[in-house]
Amino acid sequence: EAEVAQSPRYKITEKSQAVAFWCDPISGHATLYWYRQILGQGPELLVQFQDESVVDDSQLPKDRFSAERLKGVDSTLKIQPAELGDSAMYLCASSLAPGQGHEQYFGPGTRLTVT
Amino acid sequence: DAKTTQPPSMDCAEGRAANLPCNHSTISGNEYVYWYRQIHSQGPQYIIHGLKNNETNEMASLIITEDRKSSTLILPHATLRDTAVYYCIVSKGFGNEKLTFGTGTRLTIIP
Repeated sequence: EAEVAQSPRYKITEKSQAVAFWCDPISGHATLYWYRQILGQGPELLVQFQDESVVDDSQLPKDRFSAERLKGVDSTLKIQPAELGDSAMYLCASSLAPGQGHEQYFGPGTRLTVT
Repeated sequence: DAKTTQPPSMDCAEGRAANLPCNHSTISGNEYVYWYRQIHSQGPQYIIHGLKNNETNEMASLIITEDRKSSTLILPHATLRDTAVYYCIVSKGFGNEKLTFGTGTRLTIIP
């Protein structure tokens, strides 16, 4: 069964350093999402892509976070500089194009610890 | 998106049916009810969704009240592997609408 791949699974970084996460969605999935999940809370959407275009980044802290999906396939989420409050699980999800399905498929996540 | 209310935690004996309630009193006519679950340290997993009618798949059943203001997720024969946080989400659907997660219900299956 096809899965969403994410790497790394775990990342420890010092504050003020740069960090990047990678996501490879299920083949053929046009929509890609990045969520952040703070311990004890539900995931919160950071950014949503339709192919290579951003359709929602209203909750992305744009002063330090950036996301790209250059060829409309895999995606990278970057934080620079990292802050202590960025410690969280970063989840990537993908889904079919609008109108083609209901389900979002989530990857295993990257757990970030900022020290 | 309409907001949902779920109990923070529930226990269920192994082998029994687990019934997880959700209130969504402000749901609009074109919004679906989705259920996802998250097993510890994993990404969320889709379970089931519905609009008006009751739905059943290999994982669970979804019962939506006639006024659509509440719903119940039923796991018919709970196993230890069903221990997870269960999220009830209301969204316009088709997978391209962002999911607004609350804090969910932590379901513990007791041997």
